[in-house]
Amino acid sequence: DGGITQSPKYLFRKEGQNVTLSCEQNLNHDAMYWYRQDPGQGLRLIYYSQIVNDFQKGDIAEGYSVSREKKESFPLTVTSAQKNPTAFYLCASSIGARNYGYTFGSGTRLTVV
Amino acid sequence: QKEVEQDPGPLSVPEGAIVSLNCTYSNSAFQYFMWYRQYSRKGPELLMYTYSSGNKEDGRFTAQVDKSSKYISLFIRDSQPSDSATYLCAMSEETSGSRLTFGEGTQLTVNP
Repeated sequence: DGGITQSPKYLFRKEGQNVTLSCEQNLNHDAMYWYRQDPGQGLRLIYYSQIVNDFQKGDIAEGYSVSREKKESFPLTVTSAQKNPTAFYLCASSIGARNYGYTFGSGTRLTVV
Repeated sequence: QKEVEQDPGPLSVPEGAIVSLNCTYSNSAFQYFMWYRQYSRKGPELLMYTYSSGNKEDGRFTAQVDKSSKYISLFIRDSQPSDSATYLCAMSEETSGSRLTFGEGTQLTVNP
């Protein structure tokens, strides 16, 4: 079945550590996105990529980094510069040429310990 | 002011009730309108998709778009406990590859 796989489901980070969240899709979608979801704030866009080897900052990119070396993969690194990283992170993809909506992964819950 | 406004609720209704969920927006360039359903600790799933104005019906769900008022609605008929979830509206402009702008989400509980 086609879909988006996010791993791990739960992740714990110590202060000062970088962590990387995985996102893989087998939908042959061109565009991929990373969102952060916090209670009372909805979905906020971190980074997005419309083609391989190209990506753009979203609304809250500070303290995060991404890469898009393969069409199927769009990993997100939460760096130590992100001061409040505890959140639910969602990866999504879309066909890209026109907006038929996003397909989301099941999310990664990141907690700072 | 947010580009998309959605009442976060929570909204609690008895089983069988008709549920109305709404969003307002300020960007007149929005042309694509969607509703997503998100169960607790899961990713959102696309529920309804509408282009421009009008109504769309799918089973117990009806989506309405009123572009003149910049207002969209999702109606759920004969609501079921399995409809208990957070419902997010989302919308985007016509331009190719345009980003979605999401509402905050409304938390709905349907009580048996």
